[in-house]
Amino acid sequence: ETGVTQTPRHLVMGMTNKKSLKCEQHLGHNAMYWYKQSAKKPLELMFVYNFKEQTENNSVPSRFSPECPNSSHLFLHLHTLQPEDSALYLCASSLRIFGTSESYEQYFGPGTRLTVT
Amino acid sequence: EDKVVQSPLSLVVHEGDTVTLNCSYEVTNFRSLLWYKQEKKAPTFLFMLTSSGIEKKSGRLSSILDKKELFSILNITATQTGDSAVYLCAVGMDSNYQLIWGAGTKLIIKP
Repeated sequence: ETGVTQTPRHLVMGMTNKKSLKCEQHLGHNAMYWYKQSAKKPLELMFVYNFKEQTENNSVPSRFSPECPNSSHLFLHLHTLQPEDSALYLCASSLRIFGTSESYEQYFGPGTRLTVT
Repeated sequence: EDKVVQSPLSLVVHEGDTVTLNCSYEVTNFRSLLWYKQEKKAPTFLFMLTSSGIEKKSGRLSSILDKKELFSILNITATQTGDSAVYLCAVGMDSNYQLIWGAGTKLIIKP
């Protein structure tokens, strides 16, 4: 399988549940990202990992907890979410993080549609 | 505050028409501008622009950047129903590695 894959594709969870989103990239990239996409709003960057090290946490609430065990896998652990957390969660990867000496496009997975009830 | 503004927010045209989508930006230390197409879920990469006045072309799609006036356009000629999507614009800066994203233009092509 090639590209960036995400599981599950759809998730409905209650506010007291704990669940995890999984992302896997088969592109040999070294940077991985979690984004939140809400209706009619720009993509919101949540976390950035570069060579398995977290380089960015954009003031994301602690109920979202990322994990990057290696450069190919990225997880987003969810617990005690709120209804306003319902959104499409997109994972992306790039060869390197953007903004060093080169510009690198990001490749996205299909996303997980999360609904918090 | 760094920002990226896309216009129009939505656009409905008929098959065969030509459309022009706009992306303007105000950022510090501009590096690159990227265009993506989002149909159902995953945004797919279209173009990356770093230099003014140099057109990038892929089939019926083309894009150009104006670093003086701080905008880019994405042109689609002879539109087809498969071009219906949300087109996203993002800007990268020298100062950090985050992309600043616009809200997107929703394009609907009617047969």
